[in-house]
Amino acid sequence: GAGVSQSPSNKVTEKGKDVELRCDPISGHTALYWYRQSLGQGLEFLIYFQGNSAPDKSGLPSDRFSAERTGGSVSTLTIQRTQQEDSAVYLCASSLAAGHTDTQYFGPGTRLTVL
Amino acid sequence: EDQVTQSPEALRLQEGESSSLNCSYTVSGLRGLFWYRQDPGKGPEFLFTLYSAGEEKEKERLKATLTKKESFLHITAPKPEDSATYLCAVQGGANSKLTFGKGITLSVRP
Repeated sequence: GAGVSQSPSNKVTEKGKDVELRCDPISGHTALYWYRQSLGQGLEFLIYFQGNSAPDKSGLPSDRFSAERTGGSVSTLTIQRTQQEDSAVYLCASSLAAGHTDTQYFGPGTRLTVL
Repeated sequence: EDQVTQSPEALRLQEGESSSLNCSYTVSGLRGLFWYRQDPGKGPEFLFTLYSAGEEKEKERLKATLTKKESFLHITAPKPEDSATYLCAVQGGANSKLTFGKGITLSVRP
């Protein structure tokens, strides 16, 4: 079946602009995760959703970052007033359920460049 | 706080030259240790999950093993198509998130 999809695949923006990144999880997966991968760094957790609720937002780096999920499916990660340090690949993953050990399957990522 | 350290950072092998990649971890209450493969410009691709010390899993030329402090990804007779970055991650305690190491970039020369 279809895997996790993300859009856009690439986004170039100017410092100070807002951006929205979209994630479409695998059908039937109730848990959805956002991670960030910066050059030379490992994947860093940002936030996860179980259904439409976000029990763990501990990885969001500042209040400029927010995310929502509607209908238990698509999620949007919004970065307001982008800064150059926000440049990274943003990865989305989904799993059958959170709360126990379910494999997380990743999308191809969105490469964000802030000029 | 969960921590994962992978070594070496990069590894260059000749085709057919077997080797091992190391993942050392500290976690409070391991629920799972995960290995992923990542090709340039793509998202991580799931390889294995290990749940308890002593467990081993195999897939083609890859075998993953787990102890209480580390995991090894053994690559037997690698081919150029095994070239990629290999990521190790842990899930522990009540967390649903994965904590990743920085990855090991493997290059296999023909």
